[in-house]
Amino acid sequence: GENVEQHPSTLSVQEGDSAVIKCTYSDSASNYFPWYKQELGKRPQLIIDIRSNVGEKKDQRIAVTLNKTAKHFSLHITETQPEDSAVYFCAAPTDSWGKLQFGAGTQVVVTP
Amino acid sequence: KAGVTQTPRYLIKTRGQQVTLSCSPISGHRSVSWYQQTPGQGLQFLFEYFSETQRNKGNFPGRFSGRQFSNSRSEMNVSTLELGDSALYLCASSSGTGGILGEAFFGQGTRLTVV
Repeated sequence: GENVEQHPSTLSVQEGDSAVIKCTYSDSASNYFPWYKQELGKRPQLIIDIRSNVGEKKDQRIAVTLNKTAKHFSLHITETQPEDSAVYFCAAPTDSWGKLQFGAGTQVVVTP
Repeated sequence: KAGVTQTPRYLIKTRGQQVTLSCSPISGHRSVSWYQQTPGQGLQFLFEYFSETQRNKGNFPGRFSGRQFSNSRSEMNVSTLELGDSALYLCASSSGTGGILGEAFFGQGTRLTVV
């Protein structure tokens, strides 16, 4: 089955700096890679995703890159703001229907 | 469009009891997945239902079960509760059709505390 590793586990950045979170996956058949943001006490929310037919996708200050050869994908947050503080999870589907394998999460803290 | 609704939001049960949690997916979505979230173990997949059929199951004991109704609402049941079952239980809704996993949207979760 799929195995997703996420690094780092915690990330502290100064407001305005960039943050990068990296994930690796094991199943070369995986073709969909979502990222979720979970604020304290709230549900995980899908913030961006990428499919295997593209290498990069951007949405305002957030971007995701995918390297299928190396089997890794990354989340990039530019010009970080205090409201970006949250836990971020990457995920990849297994070869089975309906199952997302999540990374362990990255606690991002943006300090003013 | 209404989001994913989970009830109840909070539950306190004693060891040995059983509990049933409910999840109403986004209208038109036929896939409902359940996850257990704990501080130490992250998000762990429990099972997924599509059109009333369980398509996939995670590595949880048989005390964890679920079902899905014809209107796509899903329930999960945990019998003979143990202290270690205390967690946030999240369900995720997606269209579930086709060969590519669609976007999954989470409910607010049910916080279960076993005492």
